[in-house]
Amino acid sequence: AQSVTQPDIHITVSEGASLELRCNYSYGATPYLFWYVQSPGQGLQLLLKYFSGDTLVQGIKGFEAEFKRSQSSFNLRKPSVHWSDAAEYFCAVGARQTGANNLFFGTGTRLTVIP
Amino acid sequence: DGGITQSPKYLFRKEGQNVTLSCEQNLNHDAMYWYRQDPGQGLRLIYYSQIVNDFQKGDIAEGYSVSREKKESFPLTVTSAQKNPTAFYLCASSGRTGSLNSPLHFGNGTRLTVT
Repeated sequence: AQSVTQPDIHITVSEGASLELRCNYSYGATPYLFWYVQSPGQGLQLLLKYFSGDTLVQGIKGFEAEFKRSQSSFNLRKPSVHWSDAAEYFCAVGARQTGANNLFFGTGTRLTVIP
Repeated sequence: DGGITQSPKYLFRKEGQNVTLSCEQNLNHDAMYWYRQDPGQGLRLIYYSQIVNDFQKGDIAEGYSVSREKKESFPLTVTSAQKNPTAFYLCASSGRTGSLNSPLHFGNGTRLTVT
């Protein structure tokens, strides 16, 4: 069975500092991996996705994530955080065979950015 | 602009009443989904539909019902049988039926409060 763990419930960083949000997954084969961002009271927006190939994927808003099979991780990074990055971030894993209807979401990490 | 429209943004109901949440998309997507989001939890799948006039239960379908009479519309009814209906409800769609190559697009959600 698939599962996703985001070990950090809440992270606070200073504007301009680097950011890394952790995501660990459990899945028997090579998964589809996603990061989504949610602003308060809004829906989720896709930041980036990994299906295959290069394990370092680039996304929107200057985010990137690295797939590490040996660690079952897909951590999200940004070199310099902006105040507008304050939001909740969700990692998700999907099974290739069953598509988006079998997408499992982590519990989210809330990011606070301080001036 | 193409997108997903959920209405209303806020909904208040008395316990024991059924309530229907609207979801309309103009992305020409085949598949549509309903998720429930509670504080500190990830998204949980309620129902999904891959084609018109067909839908399947997700992980937490009890107390909910849906219909898919048109490709653009996927309304969700929260019935009085749902024990804890107060939550944030998100509708999503994806382009290709059951394919993760077409990631989820989300609406901005409806916050339902039942007292």
